[in-house]
Amino acid sequence: GENVEQHPSTLSVQEGDSAVIKCTYSDSASNYFPWYKQELGKRPQLIIDIRSNVGEKKDQRIAVTLNKTAKHFSLHITETQPEDSAVYFCAARDYGQNFVFGPGTRLSVLP
Amino acid sequence: DSGVTQTPKHLITATGQRVTLRCSPRSGDLSVYWYQQSLDQGLQFLIQYYNGEERAKGNILERFSAQQFPDLHSELNLSSLELGDSALYFCASSVSRGGETQYFGPGTRLLVL
Repeated sequence: GENVEQHPSTLSVQEGDSAVIKCTYSDSASNYFPWYKQELGKRPQLIIDIRSNVGEKKDQRIAVTLNKTAKHFSLHITETQPEDSAVYFCAARDYGQNFVFGPGTRLSVLP
Repeated sequence: DSGVTQTPKHLITATGQRVTLRCSPRSGDLSVYWYQQSLDQGLQFLIQYYNGEERAKGNILERFSAQQFPDLHSELNLSSLELGDSALYFCASSVSRGGETQYFGPGTRLLVL
């Protein structure tokens, strides 16, 4: 079945710097890749997603890139702010419509 | 507020017992997903229902079962509970069958003693 790895597990950046989180997946048939942000004690919230027929998608300070050949996708956050501090999860939807999540990255934005 | 509701918010029970978690999707959403989030295993997809039918099955134990009713609300039944079942259980809903743009509920925190 699908396996999703996520790196790094923790990331600290200075306010205003960029943050990059990378995920790799194993199933070449996976075709949808969402990213979720989960603040402490709250529900996961979808922040951006990408389908397998697209290489890049951007929404204001957030972007996601997908490399199908290498089977990896990355979340890019620019001009980070303290409110970006949270745990970020990547996920992949495999051919069987199952969602497999990465283990999460704890991002801390230092003022 | 995502529009997805879950009850109860908290549940404390003993090993061997059975509990039912309830989820109401956003108005208009036909798909419901159940997830388990524990400290050591992150987010685990359990099962998906679309318009009353089971559509996808993830890492759901045989002791667990779910269903989606004609009014589209869903219930997750957990039986013969073990200490390791203690976790946060989220449900999410989406309008599509494919699970794109899922909205998560606030979760039910289950503690098995």
